[in-house]
Amino acid sequence: KQEVTQIPAALSVPEGENLVLNCSFTDSAIYNLQWFRQDPGKGLTSLLLIQSSQREQTSGRLNASLDKSSGRSTLYIAASQPGDSATYLCAVEHGSGNTGKLIFGQGTTLQVKP
Amino acid sequence: DVKVTQSSRYLVKRTGEKVFLECVQDMDHENMFWYRQDPGLGLRLIYFSYDVKMKEKGDIPEGYSVSREKKERFSLILESASTNQTSMYLCASSPQWGAQGNQPQHFGDGTRLSIL
Repeated sequence: KQEVTQIPAALSVPEGENLVLNCSFTDSAIYNLQWFRQDPGKGLTSLLLIQSSQREQTSGRLNASLDKSSGRSTLYIAASQPGDSATYLCAVEHGSGNTGKLIFGQGTTLQVKP
Repeated sequence: DVKVTQSSRYLVKRTGEKVFLECVQDMDHENMFWYRQDPGLGLRLIYFSYDVKMKEKGDIPEGYSVSREKKERFSLILESASTNQTSMYLCASSPQWGAQGNQPQHFGDGTRLSIL
């Protein structure tokens, strides 16, 4: 059974720091891996989607990497800002094709202090 | 921008009531999903639909049913609400698989449901 784990559960950093969030999954048979952001009381906003054949994706100050063989992904945030404070969730779409069924980690709650 | 709208932000119902949660998307997406989110358990898929009148069970369908009579609307139904169904419910949509490559799911803001 696919399981997704995110460590740490919470992180607090000063503004301007570069930081890395970690995501691991137990079964390498994934179709893609997605990173989302969730603000308190809100839904999820998609940040980056990495297909299983890709190694990384970048959007602005965000860079996500994927190592399928080791079952790991990282989300790198450069020059963090207070507005980056949120919960970050990773999710894998399990299987060899599109199923739409995402399995989520429990998230890392990030606080960036001014 | 894709907009996924859930009809209620907060809802309070009583045990045994039949509860309807509504979700509407405005991007003509084929796929729609219902999740619940609980502390310590994360997001779990309840049901999804890849076409009108089609539905598939997710990981935790017990106690729930769904309805998709129109492409833009996906309803989650709690047949007889119980206290263990108190949760945050999130709806999402995405384009047809393969039509636009891998596409992320777009989420609504959620409905926080309390069953008393």
